[in-house]
Amino acid sequence: QKEVEQNSGPLSVPEGAIASLNCTYSDRGSQSFFWYRQYSGKSPELIMFIYSNGDKEDGRFTAQLNKASQYVSLLIRDSQPSDSATYLCAVTGGPFGNEKLTFGTGTRLTIIP
Amino acid sequence: EADIYQTPRYLVIGTGKKITLECSQTMGHDKMYWYQQDPGMELHLIHYSYGVNSTEKGDLSSESTVSRIRTEHFPLTLESARPSHTSQYLCASSEYGRGGRGTQYFGPGTRLTVL
Repeated sequence: QKEVEQNSGPLSVPEGAIASLNCTYSDRGSQSFFWYRQYSGKSPELIMFIYSNGDKEDGRFTAQLNKASQYVSLLIRDSQPSDSATYLCAVTGGPFGNEKLTFGTGTRLTIIP
Repeated sequence: EADIYQTPRYLVIGTGKKITLECSQTMGHDKMYWYQQDPGMELHLIHYSYGVNSTEKGDLSSESTVSRIRTEHFPLTLESARPSHTSQYLCASSEYGRGGRGTQYFGPGTRLTVL
């Protein structure tokens, strides 16, 4: 079982709709959670991070964390064609914050105009 | 905005050549990483460093080696390139700490093709 699981997709969402991306993780000690976006042929870029249970909003993006269920999600409101990319969930943990980041395999998102 | 640089961006080279991929960051980050990623595939951690003179192998076995003599510089070397080394190599860096301080910032990558 992978430590960080994501549905590989592709996930197709109409323009203007809400895209919902999900991620589960196996290590209950995980403390920090990151969402990266990666366009084809480019390097990953940070969208946002979250480390407290609940929701965190940044513009059209909302990250949701539920540590009891070991689940983190990313919602993209008013989806745009420019949101079409692969979204990577990443998790790190431990008491000192110096552990490696574990990446999921990514979910490929396509926004349909 | 992250200040992490990789050179060259693209490299086409023949089998058996020695190559060094450069990675530098100006953020003063102690932690640096090398990932390998084939097109459409997942990221694989191949090397990481938590500071000067500290290097560790990652989750994916690699024939490459790394060094960390200066905080800002983390080069990756292949002594004898082979076609199986053809891939995209991504360098990243981060601070120590929890929460957002653990964010890894990625360089633009080096796309290596070995003929």
